[in-house]
Amino acid sequence: EAGVTQSPTHLIKTRGQQATLRCSPISGHTSVYWYQQALGLGLQFLLWYDEGEERNRGNFPPRFSGRQFPNYSSELNVNALELEDSALYLCASSLGLANTDTQYFGPGTRLTVL
Amino acid sequence: GQQVMQIPQYQHVQEGEDFTTYCNSSTTLSNIQWYKQRPGGHPVFLIQLVKSGEVKKQKRLTFQFGEAKKNSSLHITATQTTDVGTYFCAPTSDMRFGAGTRLTVKP
Repeated sequence: EAGVTQSPTHLIKTRGQQATLRCSPISGHTSVYWYQQALGLGLQFLLWYDEGEERNRGNFPPRFSGRQFPNYSSELNVNALELEDSALYLCASSLGLANTDTQYFGPGTRLTVL
Repeated sequence: GQQVMQIPQYQHVQEGEDFTTYCNSSTTLSNIQWYKQRPGGHPVFLIQLVKSGEVKKQKRLTFQFGEAKKNSSLHITATQTTDVGTYFCAPTSDMRFGAGTRLTVKP
């Protein structure tokens, strides 16, 4: 069974640009979560999508947005990039709306903002 | 959302020593999950605790959920170099992971 996949692996942008990160969940999973992990720090929750709807949002500004497509894949968009947005962005998927489900993480996208 | 505090932030042990990380909440948790992230890797699910006072074991790892469901702990007996990584707790009522405890093991 294929795991959670994310693309690209690395992304380099300059301040003010926009970044788009993509995530494909495990087959059969309908929930997708996004986290930011700055170097050496913990996981900061960004967004949770299930069945195409945003279910929960972390304490991030509106320039962090996303969506979930009918095939349950998801996209994270970061507008007006700032230097402090440089981090590893992790996507996780789980079976469904029950938030007790195990989250399976992808390898992440390392975003560097210059 | 609720926030959990994890302590310690870092722990360096000699191989063979025991290790414990604690996860504390000011509010009652419905259940809690534990994850491990190896250096350069991504978090991997270890276990979920649901019941008050629950204790679960996975080989040298012992997970405990407090009677009041406000705290949890992970204890590793006789650490090995393969235990190196960051251990996170995560209440399942929201997605706010604890800050994690980074474990390093000296051979």
